[in-house]
Formats: sequence, C-alpha cells, structure tokens
Amino acid sequence: SQQGEEDPQALSIQEGENATMNCSYKTSINNLQWYRQNSGRGLVHLILIRSNEREKHSGRLRVTLDTSKKSSSLLITASRAADTASYFCATDGSNTDKLIFGTGTRLQVFP
Amino acid sequence: DVKVTQSSRYLVKRTGEKVFLECVQDMDHENMFWYRQDPGLGLRLIYFSYDVKMKEKGDIPEGYSVSREKKERFSLILESASTNQTSMYLCASSPPGGSYEQYFGPGTRLTVT
Repeated sequence: SQQGEEDPQALSIQEGENATMNCSYKTSINNLQWYRQNSGRGLVHLILIRSNEREKHSGRLRVTLDTSKKSSSLLITASRAADTASYFCATDGSNTDKLIFGTGTRLQVFP
Repeated sequence: DVKVTQSSRYLVKRTGEKVFLECVQDMDHENMFWYRQDPGLGLRLIYFSYDVKMKEKGDIPEGYSVSREKKERFSLILESASTNQTSMYLCASSPPGGSYEQYFGPGTRLTVT
C-alpha cells in the first residue's frame, strides 16, 4: 500500500543547476517528510512540512506542499556533486506513527 | 549524537537458515521499525514496535518475525531464509506522536544463496 510516488525516477544535472523532485500521495496526511539516502546507506531526514504549511526552507532546500493536489516538491538549489543520492518522500497516515515511503528519485549531479 | 546501529553491514546466508538481524538505538525511542528496500519498490515496512513486547505487522510480514525484549533493541528474524528475502534491511526508530522524523541505521545487505 505504497502511498508516495516520486517523479522523476531519475534525474541528472550539472553542478550549479537546480534539481526539482515531485511526490504525490493518496490519502490525508498530518505531515510529509523528505529523506536522503547515499548509495548503500541508511536514510537521513532532510525536512518535515506539516499539512497546514505551504512552503518550508532549510538551507538550499525548499519544500512545497499542496494538500488539495496531494503533492509535494523538493527543490535543491545550486546543486553540488555531493548532493548525488536518492531522495524519498514519506507520509504519515492519520493517527499512526508509521510512515509510508515513496519509491524515490535518484539524483546524479555531475561536476 | 543520535545513533541507530545494525549488527551487520553485509550478511550471506543459505536457504533454510534462521537469520537474526539486530538493531539497537540509544535515543530511548518508543517506536522501532524494520523495512526492506528493493530496487524500484522503495522502502516497505515489515514490522513496527511501539513499546517493549508490542508489535504490529507492516505491509510485508510474511516470512518474518520480530522480538523486542528491551526498549533499545529490536530484532528481525527470518525463520527459514529464502532467496526472495535477499534484500537491504533498514532499521529505524522514532519518538511516539506521529510527527517526528525517523532515525535510520546504516542497513544490512542480506544475500540468501
């Protein structure tokens, strides 16, 4: 019962360009989170946006949330080779501590 | 610095063996999770524990069991390993309440031959 779907599945850009990843989900949420995973490693939390928020910033990251469209986007500005990783969105269901993860976007940033 | 550790980074087992994957967290979190990650399928929840000795099935519990005798430790057990359980296994923990990030371990890449 996967809830989050990321788009695109893979993205290749040059250093300095912006990278945008999108996430769609199916049911009501309390919050949506984005995680990063370097190859062969565990996931690291990047940012959480609550259902009553529309936009949130953290350093070079900008997340938007549109609950009417059940979608979110993650923008990484001025990307660096070190941003090369997979990025996952995760949503919570109502009244649960569990998260449902999407299938991820693989980002490759070329120097 | 918060930490979730997993007993092995790489593990190779034979079909039919009983396999134990251990996860330990040092953050006094109530919630602990086991996921498996396969290419193109993202992370899928196997089991979730919200307190000592308490557990809840996730999306794909078949072929797995879990044990949580102490708050900091959550074990995943493959009763009789099969080749289709070859995967990356990720453990995570979080505080209760539903609006918190999950902290992940480095993962165990299990190969069943």
